[in-house]
Amino acid sequence: NAGVTQTPKFQVLKTGQSMTLQCAQDMNHEYMSWYRQDPGMGLRLIHYSVGAGITDQGEVPNGYNVSRSTTEDFPLRLLSAAPSQTSVYFCASSYRLETGFGGYTFGSGTRLTVV
Amino acid sequence: SQQGEEDPQALSIQEGENATMNCSYKTSINNLQWYRQNSGRGLVHLILIRSNEREKHSGRLRVTLDTSKKSSSLLITASRAADTASYFCATDASDYKLSFGAGTTVTVRA
Repeated sequence: NAGVTQTPKFQVLKTGQSMTLQCAQDMNHEYMSWYRQDPGMGLRLIHYSVGAGITDQGEVPNGYNVSRSTTEDFPLRLLSAAPSQTSVYFCASSYRLETGFGGYTFGSGTRLTVV
Repeated sequence: SQQGEEDPQALSIQEGENATMNCSYKTSINNLQWYRQNSGRGLVHLILIRSNEREKHSGRLRVTLDTSKKSSSLLITASRAADTASYFCATDASDYKLSFGAGTTVTVRA
């Protein structure tokens, strides 16, 4: 059982380049989300999905796109990289409870540097 | 904006001592969760407490929740060097968004 798999682990981009961060989970979780973590700021939600075909914006969505064509995959696309997007990116998944969602399973992260 | 705020920001204790950290939040919640993050790693779920629960235990962890004060605490008993990490509270507030605080950094000295 792999859990949540993120690729790549490290990436350096030049300003203006685009790329896709991959995220896959094998737990049949309905809910998936992307966070970025910057020093001293905790985790901030970028985009999330409550099921295949359904996505919505989080707290800091500008400059990022997502899609959810399958339950398993939730890629995050950087449209035109900027230095402000230098961060560590985490993908997470969870399951529905009677009310709300259960504990999240996180991937190991992608450390992105934009130069 | 962050829903939860942890206090203190940093904590240094001797091995074998207890560590207590607090979390305050702003809106009503379905549940509150605590996570651990070791340096350079992903977050690991520790414990979830539902809004109708007041206390929960898991091994050396004890979590309390006071919905009237919108606060929670995490107690780690008999700390070990391996407990050195950052601890985050996160709130599920019925909007499909799990909101994290900035975390408490715990250092356990040998």
